[in-house]
Amino acid sequence: EVQLVESGGGLVQPGGSLRLSCAASGFTFSSYWMSWVRQAPGKGLEWVANINPDGNREYYVDSVKGRFTISRDNTKNSLYLQMNSLRPEDTAVYYCANTKPNTVMFDYWGQGTLVTVSS
Amino acid sequence: DIQMTQSPSSLSASVGDRVTITCRASQGISIFLAWYQQKPGKAPKSLIYAASSLQSGVPSKFSGSGSGTDFTLTISSLQPEDFATYYCQQYKSYPLTFGGGTKVEIK
Repeated sequence: EVQLVESGGGLVQPGGSLRLSCAASGFTFSSYWMSWVRQAPGKGLEWVANINPDGNREYYVDSVKGRFTISRDNTKNSLYLQMNSLRPEDTAVYYCANTKPNTVMFDYWGQGTLVTVSS
Repeated sequence: DIQMTQSPSSLSASVGDRVTITCRASQGISIFLAWYQQKPGKAPKSLIYAASSLQSGVPSKFSGSGSGTDFTLTISSLQPEDFATYYCQQYKSYPLTFGGGTKVEIK
């Protein structure tokens, strides 16, 4: 059974930093593209970033470029999102998801972790 | 960026109804389209990819169609567990983008 478990969310002040983690199991993590998708309270879904299986190719939505960094550790079956210079508009539930092979659609999702940026 | 527009934004329907949700892309995306279902307080669940291919384990009452710029998700006979918000997503090009969602409510 595929499981994705996010952690690391919380309350942070504007300008602060946070590192999210996603622990993966039930599939061959090192073979899959992985993604972060977020959802602001009461709003729709927004793709944030994704990374290839080898960890050497990344894509980001413009609003987080230069502030967020996606990374992975295939030896630990883990995905990360380092978030710097956080803004109130980054407040959201952050989901990690694996990507269905030969597509860039989100196959399985974690339960999400809430990030609140507020003073 | 490719904009995805869903309609309607919400609808009310009864158990047993046939429901159709539309998703329009601002430019052609071939069949690089997925559909998701999200229930309140839960993570989204993938339903359909490549516009019309059903994810494993998804019941056949869900179907998708379309190509280019116009797509539909159809639920053939609405059941209580289908009341949720549905999103389309294009994966033709970066940035990956979602539609605004369609909330299906009980009439």
